[in-house]
Amino acid sequence: AAGVIQSPRHLIKEKRETATLKCYPIPRHDTVYWYQQGPGQDPQFLISFYEKMQSDKGSIPDRFSAQQFSDYHSELNMSSLELGDSALYFCASSKPGQGFAGNTIYFGEGSWLTVV
Amino acid sequence: AQSVTQLDSQVPVFEEAPVELRCNYSSSVSVYLFWYVQYPNQGLQLLLKYLSGSTLVKGINGFEAEFNKSQTSFHLRKPSVHISDTAEYFCAVRSAFGNEKLTFGTGTRLTIIP
Repeated sequence: AAGVIQSPRHLIKEKRETATLKCYPIPRHDTVYWYQQGPGQDPQFLISFYEKMQSDKGSIPDRFSAQQFSDYHSELNMSSLELGDSALYFCASSKPGQGFAGNTIYFGEGSWLTVV
Repeated sequence: AQSVTQLDSQVPVFEEAPVELRCNYSSSVSVYLFWYVQYPNQGLQLLLKYLSGSTLVKGINGFEAEFNKSQTSFHLRKPSVHISDTAEYFCAVRSAFGNEKLTFGTGTRLTIIP
């Protein structure tokens, strides 16, 4: 079965540079979530989109922005990178469909960002 | 808002022994509960979920969890663990209303001792 696809899987950037992470949700999933997991920490919610509109916002720095495109893929743009941005970034998708919040949220394998 | 507390950050268990990973949640509204597993250097995989109905839910790899509303708990159990169960386990909660995000606990690292 198709899963959530994230690219790139690994990324090394220098401080103050910009990075873009891409997420391709499971086909027919219309909701995308972004999470950040620092070393040894639990995943922290950044932002989510439903039908190409931002649906919720968590602890996302102002230096970060994201959007969901017409084909439902999403991109997370990170500017003025700091050492503390080094983390595993997860994208996840779900299909609320009939508004049933219990639908499972499926996660991608994550994108490892290292800022040096 | 919801929150999750995983009481044990690390749990060492001998191979073939039973294990219980504890999870308590807090919420002012009805919630759905999930357990995810993260193997080293991998993504998050759903183990099981409680949505409604029977409070005992069974998941993959022989894991099960029991929802206890009065104790606001959702402990994960396995009767006999294997080396391959070594991983980080995250309990997560989600509001039962709307298209809500998941809120994770801090995780429990399960280490299986041969």
